[in-house]
Amino acid sequence: GAVVSQHPSWVICKSGTSVKIECRSLDFQATTMFWYRQFPKQSLMLMATSNEGSKATYEQGVEKDKFLINHASLTLSTLTVTSAHPEDSSFYICSGPDYGYTFGSGTRLTVV
Amino acid sequence: DAKTTQPTSMDCAEGRAANLPCNHSTISGNEYVYWYRQIHSQGPQYIIHGLKNNETNEMASLIITEDRKSSTLILPHATLRDTAVYYCIVSRHSYTGTASKLTFGTGTRLQVTL
Repeated sequence: GAVVSQHPSWVICKSGTSVKIECRSLDFQATTMFWYRQFPKQSLMLMATSNEGSKATYEQGVEKDKFLINHASLTLSTLTVTSAHPEDSSFYICSGPDYGYTFGSGTRLTVV
Repeated sequence: DAKTTQPTSMDCAEGRAANLPCNHSTISGNEYVYWYRQIHSQGPQYIIHGLKNNETNEMASLIITEDRKSSTLILPHATLRDTAVYYCIVSRHSYTGTASKLTFGTGTRLQVTL
């Protein structure tokens, strides 16, 4: 079946630094990728939709200047959390719309 | 996208069938019913999806009512590894043009016990 590879699995960074999360579709081409965020004991919340070759679409309340999304090719989308702060600590998950909307394994971000 | 309603939690004995209900009374004609599960600290795993016919795969069966306003996910022989949060989502199919986003509700926390 379809596979979405997400890296890193976990990252700890200092407050004020930036972190890049990569999401690759390994066996299908994705013109669209979805990025979600999940806080402890809560459900997944869609942050943005990345579109290959064009600007990402952000959900209401998500700061586009803080969460930079780049969809460089049909197999790679990246999310960069800029100037991270402790409140950005969360579980970030990407998804590619293949047959069954395949999800990555997630990235646990801890900002200290 | 149509909203879904699921029970907050359910218990099931190992080896027995787990039947997880979902209400989606405002589903549109072109929206599919998707089921995913999320095991702690992992990304959601696709289970099954359907439009109006019942579906079965190696993981589960999906029973959709004739009026499509509700559905039931059936895990025929639940094991401890099936303990997870199960999400029922309605959305247009990813192959119907522009991919439609999935909106996650709170899901059902299934606890399988010995």
